[in-house]
Amino acid sequence: GAVVSQHPSWVICKSGTSVKIECRSLDFQATTMFWYRQFPKQSLMLMATSNEGSKATYEQGVEKDKFLINHASLTLSTLTVTSAHPEDSSFYICSASGLAPMSYEQYFGPGTRLTVT
Amino acid sequence: QKEVEQNSGPLSVPEGAIASLNCTYSDRGSQSFFWYRQYSGKSPELIMFIYSNGDKEDGRFTAQLNKASQYVSLLIRDSQPSDSATYLCAVSGNQFYFGTGTSLTVIP
Repeated sequence: GAVVSQHPSWVICKSGTSVKIECRSLDFQATTMFWYRQFPKQSLMLMATSNEGSKATYEQGVEKDKFLINHASLTLSTLTVTSAHPEDSSFYICSASGLAPMSYEQYFGPGTRLTVT
Repeated sequence: QKEVEQNSGPLSVPEGAIASLNCTYSDRGSQSFFWYRQYSGKSPELIMFIYSNGDKEDGRFTAQLNKASQYVSLLIRDSQPSDSATYLCAVSGNQFYFGTGTSLTVIP
């Protein structure tokens, strides 16, 4: 149980275009979803936290107009990187937590590797 | 002070030895404690969680929690080369915090 999927697993896009990444909880209701970014050989960096039906809460230094997060249902959250630039190239990972007794744990998706050329 | 602190390593142990990974946290109100394993290029996977003081064993893994000392550790017995990864400590209270991870290498 507690499976989280992400799509796509990797994407290459041109500078200036937008990319949408989907995160789905397959076998539980994800009341909260988290979006992380990880650069090579660095630790996870939390970008934002979203609760179903509410606006996402962004971490300091993360541009909310550039990284659009939508958590419209209990099984789906999307991250859209708008006007992507090469410095946005990174490994984007979502995680989800559900209702009790799962509310304390985060389950991670497999990640999406974004390369902006 | 960071919410969760880990020694970044790298930690190297020979195959078959016990690997000991340590983590301290600052929020005394923290209630739940997790260990995640992350292989290079992959996302983290949950391997252990612990809520109560003491030890919790799962196969070759033992998580130890001492809330008075604000300390949580992970022991890996009979370490295998496949255990080579970065181990992330995470703490949950009002918020969820990750440590920066400890890189473990098990030498055959």
